[in-house]
Amino acid sequence: DTEVTQTPKHLVMGMTNKKSLKCEQHMGHRAMYWYKQKAKKPPELMFVYSYEKLSINESVPSRFSPECPNSSLLNLHLHALQPEDSALYLCASSQDGASGGGNTQYFGPGTRLTVL
Amino acid sequence: GNSVTQMEGPVTLSEEAFLTINCTYTATGYPSLFWYVQYPGEGLQLLLKATKADDKGSNKGFEATYRKETTSFHLEKGSVQVSDSAVYFCALSDRAGYSTLTFGKGTMLLVSP
Repeated sequence: DTEVTQTPKHLVMGMTNKKSLKCEQHMGHRAMYWYKQKAKKPPELMFVYSYEKLSINESVPSRFSPECPNSSLLNLHLHALQPEDSALYLCASSQDGASGGGNTQYFGPGTRLTVL
Repeated sequence: GNSVTQMEGPVTLSEEAFLTINCTYTATGYPSLFWYVQYPGEGLQLLLKATKADDKGSNKGFEATYRKETTSFHLEKGSVQVSDSAVYFCALSDRAGYSTLTFGKGTMLLVSP
């Protein structure tokens, strides 16, 4: 099973709201990722967690706050977003270990976020 | 740094036509190479992959061969179907670090009956 699940599927929020996106995988993967994808563009990496620790933050604004409560779960907390943050947010995971990368990333279906 | 270049779209074909989507890459070391497909309104699905030179990845009638000498990983299918209409992303992952992906810009494929 190579399934990554994401909830909710759609989210509409105002600029003053606080909301969270959730991602879950049960493949035993130790690396998890958040991406942002705008229409007709490839995904852009936001964050990488490895062994539940934040390893890469691609200079993402602080209104996006990731959290990895355990090895299967990844959250993205949203606060005071701007309309330009409207996009498809994708979660992915891969079987990375101390030996390095080059492994396959498996993606979830994404959360379609609209900021009003 | 790493980069992936793939042909601009959209590629418009009739059903049962032959498909080629070109992909070339620049990378340090020996990356793993991937093709992902994204259907409208969905996330990315792994289509196929290759991890070393001369490897051929294949899935659902699609094929791509890792060509180190030409730094290419072209996607091919002998007979496309309407259901193959989607956006196709070529990507590489540098083994040196985390499995972070460098994506091409994506190629939209439109197949008409």
